[in-house]
Order: sequence, then structure tokens, then C-alpha cells
Amino acid sequence: EPEVTQTPSHQVTQMGQEVILRCVPISNHLYFYWYRQILGQKVEFLVSFYNNEISEKSEIFDDQFSVERPDGSNFTLKIRSTKLEDSAMYFCASSERVIGGLRNTIYFGEGSWLTVV
Amino acid sequence: AQTVTQSQPEMSVQEAETVTLSCTYDTSESDYYLFWYKQPPSRQMILVIRQEAYKQQNATENRFSVNFQKAAKSFSLKISDSQLGDAAMYFCAYTGTASKLTFGTGTRLQVTL
Repeated sequence: EPEVTQTPSHQVTQMGQEVILRCVPISNHLYFYWYRQILGQKVEFLVSFYNNEISEKSEIFDDQFSVERPDGSNFTLKIRSTKLEDSAMYFCASSERVIGGLRNTIYFGEGSWLTVV
Repeated sequence: AQTVTQSQPEMSVQEAETVTLSCTYDTSESDYYLFWYKQPPSRQMILVIRQEAYKQQNATENRFSVNFQKAAKSFSLKISDSQLGDAAMYFCAYTGTASKLTFGTGTRLQVTL
């Protein structure tokens, strides 16, 4: 079964450093997402990406965050100048919008656990 | 804005018994989708079951079924013949025209022998 893959699974970084989290969405999917889950809290939407541009973003997704699809397969989340409160699990997800069928089902990767020290 | 509410922070069920997890949501949209995701200790988000709002028939996936009450905006998950592997955090989620998912706060399910 096709799946969303994420790297790294766990990263420890020092406060102020830049971090890039990588994702390979399911190959025929058109919509890509990043979500965040701080330990013990619910999953929060960060950003959605379609047709090589951001289609929606949350208040959390401020100027320190950026997303990019540098080639036909990877989808990255960059966090500039990380802060302690950025420590969380970051989930990449993708979906395929079609008429009927499995429209709008969003499939998640296994997550990248980011620890900022 | 859409909201999803899970009023049960924790639930417990004995192995082989049935348990129902509650979820309510608020939306002004008429076309939307509802999901239950399972998050085991590994923290992976696993899709359990999906319901389209335009379908009156409740979705079923093996031991998992939902009770979708559109007028009441209720979407509960029933797990039959509970197994130890069902122990996890369960999140109810909503998506509509915006395509993003809005999650509830989750219900931690414990399965006992």
C-alpha cells in the first residue's frame, strides 16, 4: 500500500538553528500538508500546499516556517531559527482530490520528532 | 470555523467487549467528511474509518463502525470485540471545503484483560 514517508524520524537541534524536515507524499496525490503535535496535545494544522503554492496556512505558520517542493517527489518544511516551543512531532500528509470515491482522505506519514534544546 | 469536540479524555474497555467513543462537531457546511484516526504509542497517525456526510449509511470497517447523526452533528466510533492492540489515542477529525483536517483533543483508550 502506498504511504507517506518522512525523514528524519527524530532530530535534536539547538535553539536558533535551522531545521529541514523532508517528506515524500504518495505519488499520485495533489495536496500536501504539514501538521504539528506538541507532546500531550492535539494535532494542529500548519499548512496545505497545492499546485506549487500554499493554499492555506494557520496562525502557527508564521515567517519562521516555509515549505517547498523542490522536485517532483519531495515536500519539505523548513523552520528557521528554531525555538524551544517548536519541539513537537511534525506530520506530513497528502491527499488526492477526485470526484467521489476516496476524495479528501488524508494519509499521514509516521512523523518527525523534533527536539529543540 | 469548524470545531471538533471529544468529551471523553480517557476510556477503558475489557478485552472482547465493545466500547463507544464520542465525537461532536460544529460546521455550517453541508458537504464534509469525518474521520477517526488511531495514534498508538509509536505516534503514527493511522486512518481507522471515514464517513461522507452525504451518505446516510454508517461506515463500517471490520470491528470498527460509526454512528453518524448529521442533524445532531455527532460521530461516534464503536469498537467491537476489543483487542489489546486497540489501545491507543483516538482522534476524531473533520474536513470540508478547506481540505485541511480539524482534530478533536483525543480519547485515550485503555484495553484491559
